[in-house]
Amino acid sequence: ILNVEQSPQSLHVQEGDSTNFTCSFPSSNFYALHWYRWETAKSPEALFVMTLNGDEKKKGRISATLNTKEGYSYLYIKGSQPEDSATYLCAFIGSGTYKYIFGTGTRLKVLA
Amino acid sequence: DTAVSQTPKYLVTQMGNDKSIKCEQNLGHDTMYWYKQDSKKFLKIMFSYNNKELIINETVPNRFSPKSPDKAHLNLHINSLELGDSAVYFCASSHTLDAVWGSPLHFGNGTRLTVT
Repeated sequence: ILNVEQSPQSLHVQEGDSTNFTCSFPSSNFYALHWYRWETAKSPEALFVMTLNGDEKKKGRISATLNTKEGYSYLYIKGSQPEDSATYLCAFIGSGTYKYIFGTGTRLKVLA
Repeated sequence: DTAVSQTPKYLVTQMGNDKSIKCEQNLGHDTMYWYKQDSKKFLKIMFSYNNKELIINETVPNRFSPKSPDKAHLNLHINSLELGDSAVYFCASSHTLDAVWGSPLHFGNGTRLTVT
């Protein structure tokens, strides 16, 4: 059984704060790691596709890093805004499989 | 234009009934999936089809039967519905992973199934 874990489970931050959360995944048989943003009453939308150790991706105020050797990825949000409030999911894909294994998600609430 | 559309959005039915959820994608993807969002809000893979061929079949009761008439459609039929089947079911699609490295999933808006 593959474990993909995210921490923290939830957090509240003030508008303007920067924050980050973690996705931990098996360090062997890595193929790809995704980050998704999931707003309430909507469906998950892909933020980043990360495939190489040391990858850093950025989209506006959101960025992500990847360490496949130790099995973790960080998602950073700089200067959080209320519209960043959502659940952030990571999904691990193992080499030779076709399964996207989702983490438990981090529920972010940005307070105005 | 909705990329991945699933119907119905809400489905309320009684125990023992048989129901279907339909999913269609217009993205030209080769692979389609069904995920179940459980009571703890986890997304769990149920099935995956690649070019109409079943490639993933997790430990799902055989009351659940996926059907893919073509690569743009993946429907989910559920027989003899039980209370525990109540959940939100998400359809998703992607390019074949071997063809597009780490192709992201595109999700439908979900079907909330309530079994009474």
